[in-house]
Amino acid sequence: DGGITQSPKYLFRKEGQNVTLSCEQNLNHDAMYWYRQDPGQGLRLIYYSQIVNDFQKGDIAEGYSVSREKKESFPLTVTSAQKNPTAFYLCASTRSSGGSYEQFFGPGTRLTVL
Amino acid sequence: GENVEQHPSTLSVQEGDSAVIKCTYSDSASNYFPWYKQELGKRPQLIIDIRSNVGEKKDQRIAVTLNKTAKHFSLHITETQPEDSAVYFCAASKAAGNKLTFGGGTRVLVKP
Repeated sequence: DGGITQSPKYLFRKEGQNVTLSCEQNLNHDAMYWYRQDPGQGLRLIYYSQIVNDFQKGDIAEGYSVSREKKESFPLTVTSAQKNPTAFYLCASTRSSGGSYEQFFGPGTRLTVL
Repeated sequence: GENVEQHPSTLSVQEGDSAVIKCTYSDSASNYFPWYKQELGKRPQLIIDIRSNVGEKKDQRIAVTLNKTAKHFSLHITETQPEDSAVYFCAASKAAGNKLTFGGGTRVLVKP
């Protein structure tokens, strides 16, 4: 379970505000991912990054932004343009080589828009 | 892009019985198929995975089978126990470090 941390665990936001979710890993993984999970549903990919200073949009990138300035960190900003941001957000990381494909997940941040 | 369908969405079994969850994928280039277990309010955790050069893999009470021709793979849990109650997700990916596409999940309830 260790190696990936997300903060905060719970986050409340007023409509019209931007918020940033933190994701840090000390696993020396190259690739990092952000997923959104809605109640009773699967995980949908928001953004991913396979290397520092580079990232790609996932399936539901609208209203979100990311940065990857350091290998260990991949923060996600939920902007006011995201129309329905209330959800459970999960960060994950994996190695890009060496034969291990496993994605390790952080504990998640539950975002609620008031 | 890849599309992964998962069935059933809910599964209720009696303790000791077997549970089977099935997934289909659309992209024939996918070659890595993991299964994750997520308990309520917790993070998903990998329970077993299979690569396309293998047809079946087993780990104690859990097994996964892959049919590349039909583009489907299945999770089998034998001798189910109450602690197996959780949501299970299948996923598909083309390569190491590449993005996963997840199925919609199966909520498994094991009744004592």
